[in-house]
Formats: sequence, structure tokens, C-alpha cells
Amino acid sequence: EAGVAQSPRYKIIEKRQSVAFWCNPISGHATLYWYQQILGQGPKLLIQFQNNGVVDDSQLPKDRFSAERLKGVDSTLKIQPAKLEDSAVYLCASSLLQDPTGNTIYFGEGSWLTVV
Amino acid sequence: LAKTTQPISMDSYEGQEVNITCSHNNIATNDYITWYQQFPSQGPRFIIQGYKTKVTNEVASLFIPADRKSSTLSLPRVSLSDTAVYYCLVGDHTGGFKTIFGAGTRLFVKA
Repeated sequence: EAGVAQSPRYKIIEKRQSVAFWCNPISGHATLYWYQQILGQGPKLLIQFQNNGVVDDSQLPKDRFSAERLKGVDSTLKIQPAKLEDSAVYLCASSLLQDPTGNTIYFGEGSWLTVV
Repeated sequence: LAKTTQPISMDSYEGQEVNITCSHNNIATNDYITWYQQFPSQGPRFIIQGYKTKVTNEVASLFIPADRKSSTLSLPRVSLSDTAVYYCLVGDHTGGFKTIFGAGTRLFVKA
């Protein structure tokens, strides 16, 4: 079974520039997550989709971050304009909608962003 | 969501058994306990999950006492490759699938 795919793997941009990350979840997984992980910290949930609807985006800095999942499969996370503090790993993850525990989540390898 | 508390770091030697305890005093009736492992430069990986008593798989065991206010991840005979961060999570889908990670426990396995 193919895992969660993310691209690009690494990105370096200057502050105030924009960047976009792409994610393709595991086939059949209705729930998709974007996490931000700053070095030395645990992953922080930015946004959670159920199919193509947003379940939770309470920690998404909406003035600069946006995410979409138009057809309920792939998703894109965009940052515009980027700030130095956005330097982090952006992790995409997915899970089955029917998972009663809500905690069996499969992660991609992440997209590493450095803002200079 | 139940808040979890774990030790920040632990050291061990190869071949030893490692037990990492997580406290979750406010765990709800429907909550499950899940542990993840994260290596540098990789996303977290599911290790084990349980609701009560003991769960064992090919990687680890999870011990959950009757009151469920804590849980212990047990890694038998660790090797250098078990050096990683281990996260304990509690929750269930009734909270809207919200899954929140804490800072985790950094395990260092020495030769």
C-alpha cells in the first residue's frame, strides 16, 4: 500500500515569498491533516479536512496560510508571504474516517521549509 | 481532549528493556491511547494502540492499568535504531478527530 506522498521534500525561500506544498493521502482515507513541526517540538495541527470539508483550522494563521482539498483527495498548503518563523517541517497525514479511535494516523515524510 | 504528560528524555543501553510512562489523568471513557515513534527527518509512525489492560505487537507492548490514568510503552531489548522521539496521544473520533501531539519523550540508546 502506498503511503502519504508529499512534495517538495525541501524548499528554501526568502521571507515575504510564497511557497506551496502538495500532499496525496493514502487511497481511501477521507481525513487529511496538515501539521507544522518546528525543530525540537511535537507536530502542531494546522488544519484537518474530512473529505473536502474543513473540520478544524483553529490553529491555522489565516492571514498567511491557506489550504484546500478540492476533490476530497489531494491537498495543497500555501504560505504567502512567508516569515522567518515559518521555518519548519510541514507534515501531511491521513486516516480512515471510520477509525473509532481517531488516532491511527499515517504521516508522510514531510516538506522541510527554510525561510531566510 | 485529555492532556498527556511524558518525561522529556530517557537514556538506555542496547539490549535493555525501556519503559516510557505517560500520564493522562483526564482520559475520557471513549478515549483510546496511541503511541507514535518519530525518527529524525521522518514523519511520526504509529507504534501501538490500546484501550485497557495489555496490548502487544511485534514492536512493543502497551500496559494500561484499570483506572486508565496512565499508560506505559515497553520496548524490549532496545537497539541503537530505537533512538527516537516517542509520543503518547489520547482521544477518540467524537472530538472531531482532533489529534494533538505533546513534546514527546526523546529516547537515547547507547552502545
